[in-house]
Amino acid sequence: AQSVTQLDSQVPVFEEAPVELRCNYSSSVSVYLFWYVQYPNQGLQLLLKYLSGSTLVKGINGFEAEFNKSQTSFHLRKPSVHISDTAEYFCAVSAGTALIFGKGTTLSVSS
Amino acid sequence: DTGVSQNPRHKITKRGQNVTFRCDPISEHNRLYWYRQTLGQGPEFLTYFQNEAQLEKSRLLSDRFSAERPKGSFSTLEIQRTEQGDSAMYLCASSLEDINTEAFFGQGTRLTVV
Repeated sequence: AQSVTQLDSQVPVFEEAPVELRCNYSSSVSVYLFWYVQYPNQGLQLLLKYLSGSTLVKGINGFEAEFNKSQTSFHLRKPSVHISDTAEYFCAVSAGTALIFGKGTTLSVSS
Repeated sequence: DTGVSQNPRHKITKRGQNVTFRCDPISEHNRLYWYRQTLGQGPEFLTYFQNEAQLEKSRLLSDRFSAERPKGSFSTLEIQRTEQGDSAMYLCASSLEDINTEAFFGQGTRLTVV
């Protein structure tokens, strides 16, 4: 069965610092991986996804993620964060007809 | 198109009462999903429709829960005889094709059972 583990529940960073949000996955079949962001009082929004091809995936708002099959990881990165990036971030794996989400990582950006 | 719309946004109910939530997906999307999100957890899959057919249900969807999508448009999620453990955010999402295309989420309905 597919599952994802988000290794950090909270990540505090200062504005303009780089950030990495870690996600490991478990899957016995072909892997489709996603990162979603949830701003306060908003629905989830797709940041980026990996279906196949290049292992470095670029998404919206300057985020990118790298699919690493040997490490079974799909970590999300941004070289320089803004206050507006403060939100909950969810890693997810496709289970065929639905997405299986991790527990989320709260990114808090302060000045 | 205003995206996925969910109503009500908040619902407070007494234990034992029935509640119904509505989801209006993006109009051309034929797939619709319900998820439940509790504090400190990611969304958990409940059920999925392709057009009007309910094709998959999670074991989380007990017999007190029922979902419908008449005519393949909006969907309703009903919880009968609510329990305190049902308190959660109920999220609806829709997608044009399978889940590996982009799924668009609504803002959710927050249920509090007192």
